[in-house]
Amino acid sequence: EVQLVQSGAEVKKPGESLKISCKISGYSFANYWIGWVRQLPGKGLEWVGIIYPGDSDTIYSPSFQGQVTISADTSISTAYLQWTSLKASDTAMYYCARRGYSYSSDCWGQGTQVTVSS
Amino acid sequence: QSVLTQPPSVSGAPGQRVTISCTGSGSNIGAGYDVHWYRQLPGTAPKLLLTGNSHRPSGVPDRFSGSKSGTSASLAITGLQTEDEAVYYCQSYDNSFSGSVFGTGTKVTVL
Repeated sequence: EVQLVQSGAEVKKPGESLKISCKISGYSFANYWIGWVRQLPGKGLEWVGIIYPGDSDTIYSPSFQGQVTISADTSISTAYLQWTSLKASDTAMYYCARRGYSYSSDCWGQGTQVTVSS
Repeated sequence: QSVLTQPPSVSGAPGQRVTISCTGSGSNIGAGYDVHWYRQLPGTAPKLLLTGNSHRPSGVPDRFSGSKSGTSASLAITGLQTEDEAVYYCQSYDNSFSGSVFGTGTKVTVL
């Protein structure tokens, strides 16, 4: 069974750094793109970016380029989304999702709530 | 970042048929890329509902159907049920930045 299990909720202060994770099981991690999606409170889904763990090729949405970093560790089948200096506007739910057929997102993690507040 | 445009809400009585539109542009749907649909129940992660414009993953009832034409796509729900109340999103690939874009989301209300 394919499973994407995300790290727990985080509460941080503005300016702090953060790295959230998405651990995969049930398929060959290196062979599928895995992406991140943001959902602001009460709002819709926004595509953040995606990584191919096999060679670390990474694509970012223009809206998120330079704001976050996506990485992956194939030795532990885990993808990451990282910030170096959080802002209050980063407060959101973040989902990881596997890229499936024809650029779909066929399997999703349960979400990680990130709250940034002074 | 371009987005796909959906109506904010649609509603219908139990048993009725509702449709949700998804309008894109020449760099995504209009370029021939497939449209996928997701359903998000309150407090849960989105779940793939239709893939490749009209294909239902295992377990999705045939009350859900999809189509695509030109720069738009649509999702139809027939025989509307109370458990269909959710927010529905479309998604496609966009070649302007080699990534994906989501629709603005449509809340379905069963009257």
